[in-house]
Amino acid sequence: GAVVSQHPSRVICKSGTSVKIECRSLDFQATTMFWYRQFPKQSLMLMATSNEGSKATYEQGVEKDKFLINHASLTLSTLTVTSAHPEDSSFYICSARELGTSTDTQYFGPGTRLTVL
Amino acid sequence: DQQVKQNSPSLSVQEGRISILNCDYTNSMFDYFLWYKKYPAEGPTFLISISSIKDKNEDGRFTVFLNKSAKHLSLHIVPSQPGDSAVYFCAACNFNKFYFGSGTKLNVKP
Repeated sequence: GAVVSQHPSRVICKSGTSVKIECRSLDFQATTMFWYRQFPKQSLMLMATSNEGSKATYEQGVEKDKFLINHASLTLSTLTVTSAHPEDSSFYICSARELGTSTDTQYFGPGTRLTVL
Repeated sequence: DQQVKQNSPSLSVQEGRISILNCDYTNSMFDYFLWYKKYPAEGPTFLISISSIKDKNEDGRFTVFLNKSAKHLSLHIVPSQPGDSAVYFCAACNFNKFYFGSGTKLNVKP
């Protein structure tokens, strides 16, 4: 089946630094990628939707200047957490929808655990 | 405000019995519902889905039921197997956006 990778799987950084998380579709082209955030024992919260070659669409309450999303190619989207603070510590998961497929064809990456000290 | 809710954080079932996972939603505009399964340290994987025009969809041991009037859906797993032990998320889709519940951790005891 389709594989989505995320890198890094785990990152610990100091407050004030920026962290970049990569999401790659390894064996298919993804026109749309989604970024989610999960707090402990809570649901996956959609942060933004990114389409290749265009600006990301952010959900209400998500700071676009804080969470920079770039979808430069059909296989790569990046999420940069700028000037990270301890409250940004969370589990970030991306998903990718394959070109030309239906709504339910969304493949998830394994997630990235971000800890901001 | 959470639009999709899974009120049971955990469920324990004996192997061979039925597992019933429940999910409630508030937005009547949702037109597609999905269940995902998640193992530790892995991303969610798609399990089964149902369109809002149907009330039941079956795939092997997995059946999803949708009650639109009650804004409720459920996932039935029968017979349950130890390998089914995982966290199950329900999700609802509206305009290609997915909204997830908080998950139910299923433990199937041998």
